[in-house]
Amino acid sequence: NAGVTQTPKFRILKIGQSMTLQCTQDMNHNYMYWYRQDPGMGLKLIYYSVGAGITDKGEVPNGYNVSRSTTEDFPLRLELAAPSQTSVYFCASTGQPPFSYGYTFGSGTRLTVV
Amino acid sequence: AQKVTQAQTEISVVEKEDVTLDCVYETRDTTYYLFWYKQPPSGELVFLIRRNSFDEQNEISGRYSWNFQKSTSSFNFTITASQVVDSAVYFCALSPSNAGGTSYGKLTFGQGTILTVHP
Repeated sequence: NAGVTQTPKFRILKIGQSMTLQCTQDMNHNYMYWYRQDPGMGLKLIYYSVGAGITDKGEVPNGYNVSRSTTEDFPLRLELAAPSQTSVYFCASTGQPPFSYGYTFGSGTRLTVV
Repeated sequence: AQKVTQAQTEISVVEKEDVTLDCVYETRDTTYYLFWYKQPPSGELVFLIRRNSFDEQNEISGRYSWNFQKSTSSFNFTITASQVVDSAVYFCALSPSNAGGTSYGKLTFGQGTILTVHP
């Protein structure tokens, strides 16, 4: 099925551990995004990419890193997990303007740091 | 910088009531897109509508309607004859469409409105 696939769906990390959240899309979208959603809050942009090899910081990039070596994949790396990174993470993608169908979101990764 | 404000944190209605969710935005971009997304209890984000800043026509889709007023920077969402299945968090969002701008393609969300529809 076409769409954005995120793995894992759930994860518990200990403080100081590292992990990579995977995001893959099969719609040949150039634009990809990582958002985090804290309880009772809206989504905040962590990093985004406008194409393979091009990434840029969003609103809340501290503690995260990204790479975009292919059009399909946009992994998000947490190097030293902290309790403040407990959140639900959403990956999204969209095609070229005028973004006729909006942004397609993955189903989310629920991360708990203890 | 761009900002989206949803004034209502939570709304509670009884089934069949009409309900309007407010959205006010700020942007320096002259062209932009506005969106509404629904997040049901299952957690996924469901795209509802996109509106181009050039198009101020109101839109109706079944029980859903949207009122875009550029003069007041508002993009309100009305559900007519609400149903229990409408219970969800609703997000308004903004994305610049000016290819020369630094925020091009970046979707900014409001904080969301929790809608609860009681039977």
